[in-house]
Amino acid sequence: EAGVAQSPRYKIIEKRQSVAFWCNPISGHATLYWYQQILGQGPKLLIQFQNNGVVDDSQLPKDRFSAERLKGVDSTLKIQPAKLEDSAVYLCASSLDRAAQYFGPGTRLTVL
Amino acid sequence: GIQVEQSPPDLILQEGANSTLRCNFSDSVNNLQWFHQNPWGQLINLFYIPSGTKQNGRLSATTVATERYSLLYISSSQTTDSGVYFCAVNAGGTSYGKLTFGQGTILTVHP
Repeated sequence: EAGVAQSPRYKIIEKRQSVAFWCNPISGHATLYWYQQILGQGPKLLIQFQNNGVVDDSQLPKDRFSAERLKGVDSTLKIQPAKLEDSAVYLCASSLDRAAQYFGPGTRLTVL
Repeated sequence: GIQVEQSPPDLILQEGANSTLRCNFSDSVNNLQWFHQNPWGQLINLFYIPSGTKQNGRLSATTVATERYSLLYISSSQTTDSGVYFCAVNAGGTSYGKLTFGQGTILTVHP
């Protein structure tokens, strides 16, 4: 069984630029999560989807972050415009309902 | 929201030693997972263990939900066990499936 796929693995951008991350969950997993992990901390949830609907986006900085999950499979997370404090690893996870979550390899974002 | 505390924050071992990592949480949970984050940043599932005891090779875990803690045991440690170990919980209710992570335990195993 293929795991959660993410791309790109690394991204370096200048502040105020835009960036997008892509996630493909494990086949059949209806629930998809985006987490942000700042260096030295545990991951923190940004947004959770159930199929193609948003369940929880209370921690998403909506003035600059957006996410979508068209057709209830792949998802894209976008930052526009990026700030220095957005430098982090962005992790995508998926699960069957609210059972065990499986994480992708992450995208390491550096904002200069 | 629910609080998750892990101890110790850092642990240094010689290869072959045993260790116990602890996770305390402040409220009842629907889900508890242990992860190993390797040096490349990948979060690897170790256990899904909201209650009870599980074993997988040299690793085992116990969650005592009524007392709000979980323990991860590593026996005969190897250098490849190095990395950060995270405990993460879901409190249910309006937290839906969200996992709240502890700060992690940094494990270093020397040959």
